[in-house]
Amino acid sequence: EDQVTQSPEALRLQEGESSSLNCSYTVSGLRGLFWYRQDPGKGPEFLFTLYSAGEEKEKERLKATLTKKESFLHITAPKPEDSATYLCAVQAAGDYKLSFGAGTTVTVRA
Amino acid sequence: EAQVTQNPRYLITVTGKKLTVTCSQNMNHEYMSWYRQDPGLGLRQIYYSMNVEVTDKGDVPEGYKVSRKEKRNFPLILESPSPNQTSLYFCASSPDNWDRVRSRETQYFGPGTRLLVL
Repeated sequence: EDQVTQSPEALRLQEGESSSLNCSYTVSGLRGLFWYRQDPGKGPEFLFTLYSAGEEKEKERLKATLTKKESFLHITAPKPEDSATYLCAVQAAGDYKLSFGAGTTVTVRA
Repeated sequence: EAQVTQNPRYLITVTGKKLTVTCSQNMNHEYMSWYRQDPGLGLRQIYYSMNVEVTDKGDVPEGYKVSRKEKRNFPLILESPSPNQTSLYFCASSPDNWDRVRSRETQYFGPGTRLLVL
């Protein structure tokens, strides 16, 4: 069974204080690993898809990386508007199900 | 505008009163699914559909039904709701070939339906 574990559960940062979120996964053949941002009471908003180990993607202050066992979401010089819950999910080859982690809630103080 | 819509957005009901939450997408996606989100448990898949008239159970299907009579619609039915189905529900859709064409987006999510069963 696919498993996704995110750490830490919560992260409080000062504005400008860079940090990383971790997503550890086990899956039998990776079709894709996804990062989403979710604001309270709203649906997940797509950030990145990573397909294979070694791949990296960037968007503004966010950078996602992937190894064979985990993915990191690096937040560089965060701003208060980066406060959200960040979700990681995996999809196995030949499967249609997304398996989600419980998420990391990031709070950035001005 | 590409989107997934859900209705209603908020619903309070009582135990045993049948209800339906609608989901519609305007992107001609083959794949649609329903998730529930509970504190500390993350998003869990309830049911999914790979195309019209093709549905299958996800991780937590008990107490739910779905149907896919049209490609754009995928309603979630609670025949006899119970308090443990109080949750935040999300519908999602994606094209079948997103990884082959390396689509920028994978699953599009709706805005959510917050359900309270008394």
